[in-house]
Amino acid sequence: EDQVTQSPEALRLQEGESSSLNCSYTVSGLRGLFWYRQDPGKGPEFLFTLYSAGEEKEKERLKATLTKKESFLHITAPKPEDSATYLCAVQAKGGSEKLVFGKGTKLTVNP
Amino acid sequence: DAMVIQNPRYQVTQFGKPVTLSCSQTLNHNVMYWYQQKSSQAPKLLFHYYDKDFNNEADTPDNFQSRRPNTSFCFLDIRSPGLGDAAMYLCATSRARIYEQYFGPGTRLTVT
Repeated sequence: EDQVTQSPEALRLQEGESSSLNCSYTVSGLRGLFWYRQDPGKGPEFLFTLYSAGEEKEKERLKATLTKKESFLHITAPKPEDSATYLCAVQAKGGSEKLVFGKGTKLTVNP
Repeated sequence: DAMVIQNPRYQVTQFGKPVTLSCSQTLNHNVMYWYQQKSSQAPKLLFHYYDKDFNNEADTPDNFQSRRPNTSFCFLDIRSPGLGDAAMYLCATSRARIYEQYFGPGTRLTVT
């Protein structure tokens, strides 16, 4: 069974304090790994798709990386507006191709 | 801007009273999904349409139905809402099942 585990469940940072969020996954064959940002009371916002180990994607202060077992979302010099829940999801090759989500990491950045 | 729109944003219904949530998209995507998300939980896929082809998840209760009358619109019908159906309902779209999904803002359903 495909599984996604995100850690930590919650992370509190000071503005400017860089850190990383972890997404560990087990999947029969990875088609893609997706990162989303979700603000309270809103739908998830697509950030990145990663397809193969070694791939990296960047957007402003965010950088996502992928290995064969996990993905990291690195946040460099975060600002309070980066506060949100970050969701990781994997999609396996074949089968239903549905996204399997982790429970998310709730990030709070204090000014 | 191309987008996914959900109406209403907040819906209050009574126990057992049927309710319909709507989703529309201007992305011209082939696939439309419905998810249920409860507080502090991951989104749970209920079903999806690939064009007119309906795909139900095995654990989706029969109480939940969906209609897709055309490419742009998709509806979620809850025939007899129970207290446990109170949740955020998310609509998402993608070009095809293998691509990233784009979510709407969600409809918060309250059952009284």
